[in-house]
Order: sequence, then C-alpha cells, then structure tokens
Amino acid sequence: QKEVEQDPGPLSVPEGAIVSLNCTYSNSAFQYFMWYRQYSRKGPELLMYTYSSGNKEDGRFTAQVDKSSKYISLFIRDSQPSDSATYLCAMSFFLTTSGTYKYIFGTGTRLKVLA
Amino acid sequence: NAGVTQTPKFRILKIGQSMTLQCTQDMNHNYMYWYRQDPGMGLKLIYYSVGAGITDKGEVPNGYNVSRSTTEDFPLRLELAAPSQTSVYFCASSYGTRIGGYTFGSGTRLTVV
Repeated sequence: QKEVEQDPGPLSVPEGAIVSLNCTYSNSAFQYFMWYRQYSRKGPELLMYTYSSGNKEDGRFTAQVDKSSKYISLFIRDSQPSDSATYLCAMSFFLTTSGTYKYIFGTGTRLKVLA
Repeated sequence: NAGVTQTPKFRILKIGQSMTLQCTQDMNHNYMYWYRQDPGMGLKLIYYSVGAGITDKGEVPNGYNVSRSTTEDFPLRLELAAPSQTSVYFCASSYGTRIGGYTFGSGTRLTVV
C-alpha cells in the first residue's frame, strides 16, 4: 500500500463548478499537509498548507484535513479555466532517526476546467 | 527575485554520457532538494542538502551525485546516463523541513537515448 494515494484523474468540470480533490494516507504520523498546483511543463507551486484537522480557506480554495479518517481534500469554488492544472497533495512528519522531516508527494490529479 | 533557477531546460543525452544539471536559488534557503518526476509516479527524492557541505541520499540516489559548496548552488551530476534516467528533474529549496512548502524550479526535461 502506498503511503499516499491520489486519484490521477483526469477530472473535467464546467467553468463555475465546485471541484473536490482528495488524498488518502496510511501513516498516522503525518503532521503537515500541503497542496501544490503544477501547470503543464512547470514546477509545482505551493497553494496551501495545514497542520491540524479542520478547514483552512484562502480565496476560492479550501483545504480540509480529517486525521481520524486519514483523508485530506482541496475544494475549489467557482472554478476557472485558469485552474486547469495537476494538483499534488503532500504531507510530512518528523523522522527522529535523521532529525529531518519526511516529505511524501501524491502522484497528482489532473484537472481540466471547461469554458 | 528569481527564486529557483534550473538549467538547462531540455537535454538529450546518449547512453553512457555524463552531464550536470544546475540549480541556483537566491532566497538564502538552507535546504535544497533534487526530485525526479515520472508519469504516474509522483515526485521521487534523489538527494537533499541541509546546508553548504552537507548532503544526503533520498529514495532514488543510484546513478546520481551531488555537491553543495555554497548556500545558493546545488548541482546534480549524472554519470553514465541510462534510459531509466529519462525523466523531468526538479530542484527545490526551503527554509527548513518543519512547515510550509518548497519552492520549485521550472524543471529540466532529460531524455537518454
């Protein structure tokens, strides 16, 4: 079982739709949760990060973490064609053996918002 | 503010050739990373560095080498290129690993033929 699972899509939605992107994870040690957006032929860029269970909102984006279910989500409201990209979840936890944080990326979900 | 700059953007190598992928950041980040991204496989960590003079292996270090002589630069060396090294390579940096995210470069698309 992969530590982080993410549906690869593609997910196609009409402009203005609410988009829900999800990741599940198996290791309860994960403490920090991130969402990155990656446009075609570009590097990932950080969208949001959260630490605890609950919701965090930033404009049209809401990140949700449910640690009891080991499930995180990214919601995009009023989706725009410019939101068309691949969205990667990422999560990290502290490794006592090395004194650093282990950082795991999901494989990404490809989103297409149709005008 | 350029962020993380990678060169070259594209490269075709023949099997057995060597090359260096360059990465420079101007944000004074201590931590730097090299990832490769293959279709459907996500980002895999090759090497990372927690500061000048300190490097360590990630998940997939075989066939690669790194050095970190300055805070700004973190080059990735491919020795004896193999078709399995065909991938998109991303360099990233961060202040630390505790919280927040990474700043990525725009990537180097490498094909080994």
